[in-house]
Amino acid sequence: AQSVTQLDSHVSVSEGTPVLLRCNYSSSYSPSLFWYVQHPNKGLQLLLKYTSAATLVKGINGFEAEFKKSETSFHLTKPSAHMSDAAEYFCVVSGHSGYALNFGKGTSLLVTP
Amino acid sequence: AAGVIQSPRHLIKEKRETATLKCYPIPRHDTVYWYQQGPGQDPQFLISFYEKMQSDKGSIPDRFSAQQFSDYHSELNMSSLELGDSALYFCASSTGTSAYNEQFFGPGTRLTVL
Repeated sequence: AQSVTQLDSHVSVSEGTPVLLRCNYSSSYSPSLFWYVQHPNKGLQLLLKYTSAATLVKGINGFEAEFKKSETSFHLTKPSAHMSDAAEYFCVVSGHSGYALNFGKGTSLLVTP
Repeated sequence: AAGVIQSPRHLIKEKRETATLKCYPIPRHDTVYWYQQGPGQDPQFLISFYEKMQSDKGSIPDRFSAQQFSDYHSELNMSSLELGDSALYFCASSTGTSAYNEQFFGPGTRLTVL
């Protein structure tokens, strides 16, 4: 079975400082990995996805993630946090059968002035 | 660009009542997924359909049923509602069934069971 573990339930950064949201995955084969963002009382928006084409994936709003097979990680980063980045972030892996998404528990990002 | 449409956006029901949630996928998307997100929880996969046939089943209670119609819209029917069914229900659509296909999420239906 495919699963992801988000290592931090809450992350707090100051505006203008780097963001690091950590995610480890477990998969018996090459996984498809995603990061989704959910702003308060909003739907889910795809930030970026890894589908084996390139290990460094660039997404929207300046976010990127690097797939590291040796570490089974897919951490999300951004060089400089903005107040509007405050939201819930989900690391997600696609299942093998039917391709339903398996979500991590989420990381709540707080950005302080 | 057209997005996934869900209706209603908010629904309030009493215990033991029934509810029907509707999902209209992006045009030309043939696959629909349903997810349930409880308060403070991560979304949990319920069920999916590809070309009007059930393609996968997750943690969907027996009290719930769903189907996809000829125009590809989908309905999630929930009976004998319980307090624990209060959640945000998301529908997502994609083209075909592939691990690489992005799922586009609707805004969700917030169901409150009193």
